[in-house]
Amino acid sequence: TQLLEQSPQFLSIQEGENLTVYCNSSSVFSSLQWYRQEPGEGPVLLVTVVTGGEVKKLKRLTFQFGDARKDSSLHITAAQPGDTGLYLCAGGGAGNNRKLIWGLGTSLAVNP
Amino acid sequence: DTGVSQDPRHKITKRGQNVTFRCDPISEHNRLYWYRQTLGQGPEFLTYFQNEAQLEKSRLLSDRFSAERPKGSFSTLEIQRTEQGDSAMYLCASSLAAGFNEKLFFGSGTQLSVL
Repeated sequence: TQLLEQSPQFLSIQEGENLTVYCNSSSVFSSLQWYRQEPGEGPVLLVTVVTGGEVKKLKRLTFQFGDARKDSSLHITAAQPGDTGLYLCAGGGAGNNRKLIWGLGTSLAVNP
Repeated sequence: DTGVSQDPRHKITKRGQNVTFRCDPISEHNRLYWYRQTLGQGPEFLTYFQNEAQLEKSRLLSDRFSAERPKGSFSTLEIQRTEQGDSAMYLCASSLAAGFNEKLFFGSGTQLSVL
């Protein structure tokens, strides 16, 4: 069974600080996605990484896919209150029924 | 541009009642998923359709849950004889299956409270 573990589970920081969120597995994924979810809304896709070692930047957010495609990280620089939310990673598997494998999420609170 | 829409946004019901939720996916998307999510947790897979065919159903899903997608467009999720443990956010997502790089687009969910 494929599993994705996210850490930390909760994170509360001050505005302007940097942070890193991790998504780890013992399984190899063909792709990995990061979503952000605000209270009362569905998750919104931020980025998809597909190549081992790939780094993608989205403004102050930097996403990295591990060389072995088993792990990923999300780094936020100079966090802002608008970054508050639940960050979810989801791994894409192989085979014909390729439903995503979801982590449990990191709940981030950025305090002004 | 119409995204994924879900109806109703909120549902309060008494234990033992039946409830039905509707999801309208993005029109050209062939896959439709139902997830359940409790506060602070990731989405829990319930079932998914490719066109009108229900391809997989979670083993965690009891017989009280049933989903349909009769014409390969909108979908309904019915919960019979609701229990307090069914209280959660029910999320629908759609995608255009494209190999391994599948991207899900979620609706805003239906928040169910069973009293």
